[in-house]
Amino acid sequence: AQSVAQPEDQVNVAEGNPLTVKCTYSVSGNPYLFWYVQYPNRGLQFLLKYITGDNLVKGSYGFEAEFNKSQTSFHLKKPSALVSDSALYFCAVSNYGQNFVFGPGTRLSVLP
Amino acid sequence: EAGVAQSPRYKIIEKRQSVAFWCNPISGHATLYWYQQILGQGPKLLIQFQNNGVVDDSQLPKDRFSAERLKGVDSTLKIQPAKLEDSAVYLCASSFEGSTYNEQFFGPGTRLTVL
Repeated sequence: AQSVAQPEDQVNVAEGNPLTVKCTYSVSGNPYLFWYVQYPNRGLQFLLKYITGDNLVKGSYGFEAEFNKSQTSFHLKKPSALVSDSALYFCAVSNYGQNFVFGPGTRLSVLP
Repeated sequence: EAGVAQSPRYKIIEKRQSVAFWCNPISGHATLYWYQQILGQGPKLLIQFQNNGVVDDSQLPKDRFSAERLKGVDSTLKIQPAKLEDSAVYLCASSFEGSTYNEQFFGPGTRLTVL
């Protein structure tokens, strides 16, 4: 069965600094990996995905994520954080289109 | 483009009562998902449809939960009878095709409170 860990409940970063939100996964077979964001009083929104190909994937709002197969990680990154990036971030994994699993979420707070 | 529609937005019921939620996906989206999101947790997939067929319902508590998507468009999720632990936000999502390698578009959710 698939599983996703987001080891940090909360990440605080100053505006303008780089940010990283960590995600590790466990799946049998090749993973499909995703990041979603949940802003206050708004629905979940897709940010980016890794299916195959380059290990560094770029997504919406300047976010990117790096797939590391040996470390089974898919960390979300952004070079320069904005206050408006403050939200709840979810990593998710599926195995060949089955058993879609979300992580518990990491709350990102960007301080002005 | 209209988004995923869900109703009602809020529902309060007593335990052992029944409740139903409705979802209308984005037009043309073949895949539809129902999730349960308990406060402080990530969404948990309950059931995934491809058109009107079930792809994955491994985490659906079938003794009390049921879902249907009869014409391959809108869908209903029912709980009968409800328990206190069913209090959660129920999210509906849809994707264009190819199920889980395409991004999912989420509706606003239905917040269920079971007293």
